[in-house]
Amino acid sequence: KNQVEQSPQSLIILEGKNCTLQCNYTVSPFSNLRWYKQDTGRGPVSLTIMTFSENTKSNGRYTATLDADTKQSSLHITASQLSDSASYICVVSDRGSTLGRLYFGRGTQLTVWP
Amino acid sequence: EADIYQTPRYLVIGTGKKITLECSQTMGHDKMYWYQQDPGMELHLIHYSYGVNSTEKGDLSSESTVSRIRTEHFPLTLESARPSHTSQYLCASSEFKGGAGDTGELFFGEGSRLTVL
Repeated sequence: KNQVEQSPQSLIILEGKNCTLQCNYTVSPFSNLRWYKQDTGRGPVSLTIMTFSENTKSNGRYTATLDADTKQSSLHITASQLSDSASYICVVSDRGSTLGRLYFGRGTQLTVWP
Repeated sequence: EADIYQTPRYLVIGTGKKITLECSQTMGHDKMYWYQQDPGMELHLIHYSYGVNSTEKGDLSSESTVSRIRTEHFPLTLESARPSHTSQYLCASSEFKGGAGDTGELFFGEGSRLTVL
């Protein structure tokens, strides 16, 4: 069964600190992996996309990594801000069908305290 | 900023009522989706559409129905709401790329939170 597992389930950090969120997947054949940020009461917004050949990609203070061999991805947040408080969702797409299929993780709830 | 809109944002209704959740996008995307999201759980796909007059059921069994008469509009209807329908409903769209793999980046609306008493 194709799955996406995220850890930790929740995380509390102090403003200015760094943190790393994890995503492990079993989706095969793999197409790409996206990280989305979902603020409370809002819809998710894409942060970054990782394809099979990419190891690292940055978007401002967000850096995503992908290890396609171990089927693991991480999202590193540098110098956290209060506005980073949100749920971060890992979404994996397969290429087993023409239109692709998406597998969602349950998200990591990040809280940044002042 | 995504140009996809959902109404109403919040809705509280009684059991047995008929409701329609509206979703519109101005990006000209062919693919549109409805997801159900409960706290601490992953998003579940309940309906999707490849384009006008195309609708398919998703992974999660749902008593709702959808229509796609215009590219920009993808409403979801519950004929008789029940307490088990209480949830957050997210509409999304993406650009249809075709070929194997990528569905494209999803652009989500702000969601419609439904409470059925």
